[in-house]
Amino acid sequence: QVQLQESGPGLVKPSQTLSLTCTVSGGSISSGGYYWSWIRQHPGKGLEWIGYIYYSGTTYYNPSLRSRVTMSVDTSKNQFSLKLSSVTAADTAVYYCAREAYYGSGSTTTDHWGQGTLVTVSS
Amino acid sequence: DIQMTQSPSSLSASVGDRVTITCRASQAISTYLAWFQQKPGKAPKSLIYAASSLQSGVPSKFSGSGSGTDFTLTISSLQPEDFATYYCQQYNSYPLTFGGGTKVEIK
Repeated sequence: QVQLQESGPGLVKPSQTLSLTCTVSGGSISSGGYYWSWIRQHPGKGLEWIGYIYYSGTTYYNPSLRSRVTMSVDTSKNQFSLKLSSVTAADTAVYYCAREAYYGSGSTTTDHWGQGTLVTVSS
Repeated sequence: DIQMTQSPSSLSASVGDRVTITCRASQAISTYLAWFQQKPGKAPKSLIYAASSLQSGVPSKFSGSGSGTDFTLTISSLQPEDFATYYCQQYNSYPLTFGGGTKVEIK
């Protein structure tokens, strides 16, 4: 059973870059077939899909965040990462890493989630 | 982006009740619709994909239906562990988008 675990600073200053890493266990990122994503949830609010990365480095970012988002993958460590630049208080949220899979046709859908990590943007 | 609208935003129900939640897409998405359950302080859990297919290990009291723009999630007999917030997600096209959630509370 695949498991995902987020790590990174819980507090980031405004205008700085938020950096998070997701460590995957129970399966290899480089085996292919799955996409690795980030999703965030503002306090008491709904879910916002940030984007995905494939083990090859192929990415897709939500256009609403595209100018500030960078994702990377380290297959040797079975990890993938998120960087979000120029953060403001509006970026305060619980950030989840997740696995995306194809179920027949259409795009990928989320089938496994990390436990989430709260990142607060404040001076 | 495809907008997903859930109704109601919250509901109160009793143990044993049959509960139905609706999700509407702003454009046709075939059956590319998933449902998730989220309990307070926890990550969402995948329940249903392809509008009506249960994820492995999900009890059969959960069922989904619909295609095109209108979808429903039904819990046949509500149990204490089912009190949670439920989200739909469209995966017809990127970016993936979620409904605003339906909070199921104890009456």
